[in-house]
Amino acid sequence: VLTQSPGTLSLSPGERATLSCRASQIIRKLAWYQQKPGQAPRLLMYGVSTRATGIPERFSGSGSGTDFTLTISRLEPEDFAVYHCQEYEFGVSKTFGQGTKVEIK
Amino acid sequence: EVHLAESGGGLVQPGGSLRLSCAASGFTFSDHWMAWVRQVPGKGLEWVANMKPDGTMIFYVASVKGRFTISRDNANNLVYLQMSGLRAEDSAVYFCARDVNGGYFDNWGQGTLVTVSS
Repeated sequence: VLTQSPGTLSLSPGERATLSCRASQIIRKLAWYQQKPGQAPRLLMYGVSTRATGIPERFSGSGSGTDFTLTISRLEPEDFAVYHCQEYEFGVSKTFGQGTKVEIK
Repeated sequence: EVHLAESGGGLVQPGGSLRLSCAASGFTFSDHWMAWVRQVPGKGLEWVANMKPDGTMIFYVASVKGRFTISRDNANNLVYLQMSGLRAEDSAVYFCARDVNGGYFDNWGQGTLVTVSS
């Protein structure tokens, strides 16, 4: 099980966003996705901290064991969206967190 | 450029069947795992099924085992999700996704809506 917090993060453009994803058991394989309303998810990070192709450097992933973080160093207007974490540790199944919405304060 | 396009969604009665299709382009389809992921509007994502390029490994989420079947046509760059015994709780937007070695999903289609209701 992956638990994301907070459910909603209210911030202003230019601020730093810190999103948490906590796993119920130790994992090493974690990905993050961004999803905007009416759109498909977009891969941001994989392998905990590797940015996907074309993802800006303001996005970074960190963590180990059961606690992981997605950080957006300075929020741009296009970053307001829902963020999902996903584990792919166990091969035969994959689990997503319930999502964190980053909204404009 | 990778492009995935789902089709086949719609309204179906409980207990009914539906087949979703996903047409892929812009990459060597036969080299990649493919997957289906669903999302109830306004809710989180749920992985449904995925399949190795040669079809020798297939996995399903427990809630759809025995009811859904993922398949692929490597000659025509298509992946399918045959759904039967549909339930109200299967109602969701179904996304086709390119699966990186059975792990995470690096490209997604726009999704197709399945509504199970009488």
